[in-house]
Amino acid sequence: GDSVTQMEGPVTLSEEAFLTINCTYTATGYPSLFWYVQYPGEGLQLLLKATKADDKGSNKGFEATYRKETTSFHLEKGSVQVSDSAVYFCALGVGDTGGFKTIFGAGTRLFVKA
Amino acid sequence: DAGITQSPRHKVTETGTPVTLRCHQTENHRYMYWYRQDPGHGLRLIHYSYGVKDTDKGEVSDGYSVSRSKTEDFLLTLESATSSQTSVYFCAIQGAAYEQYFGPGTRLTVT
Repeated sequence: GDSVTQMEGPVTLSEEAFLTINCTYTATGYPSLFWYVQYPGEGLQLLLKATKADDKGSNKGFEATYRKETTSFHLEKGSVQVSDSAVYFCALGVGDTGGFKTIFGAGTRLFVKA
Repeated sequence: DAGITQSPRHKVTETGTPVTLRCHQTENHRYMYWYRQDPGHGLRLIHYSYGVKDTDKGEVSDGYSVSRSKTEDFLLTLESATSSQTSVYFCAIQGAAYEQYFGPGTRLTVT
């Protein structure tokens, strides 16, 4: 079945360090791919998305490229800030009999130290 | 801001009592979802709706029922609450590009 696997956390970085959070997926169709971010005490927020192979999603300095050949959608940021501390979820979306379903990874917690 | 509110935001209830959580949206989205979030399990789909009176089960639907009598409201009912249903519950709607927008969550504690 369809699934998402992302790297386990927590990930701890110093401010201005480079961030990579790995995400790979398994899907039978042609999924859309998403990254969501959850700050403490809040719901998930869409961070970026890509709808087809080789698309690059970007937002707030974060980027991820839809790689069909490696079934990956790794999240990157060149210089993290303390305010980026949050939990990051990779997700895929595919069409289903009832419409569209989204499958979430387990989440990766990021701590950024000043 | 997708205009999603959830009520209550916090609730403590006793085992065996029924509980209803409400999700309200203001933007006429067709698809609405209920998830629960637990440490070590990520986000799991309970039920979803694809229109008024049209609902279907997710992966963890046992012990839960839903209703959608109006486009803007999606109710989640725990028929007889158990301690295993202590969790944070999120409602979400689906946007035009299949992305999801989440409400602020309801923290439910069953004692």
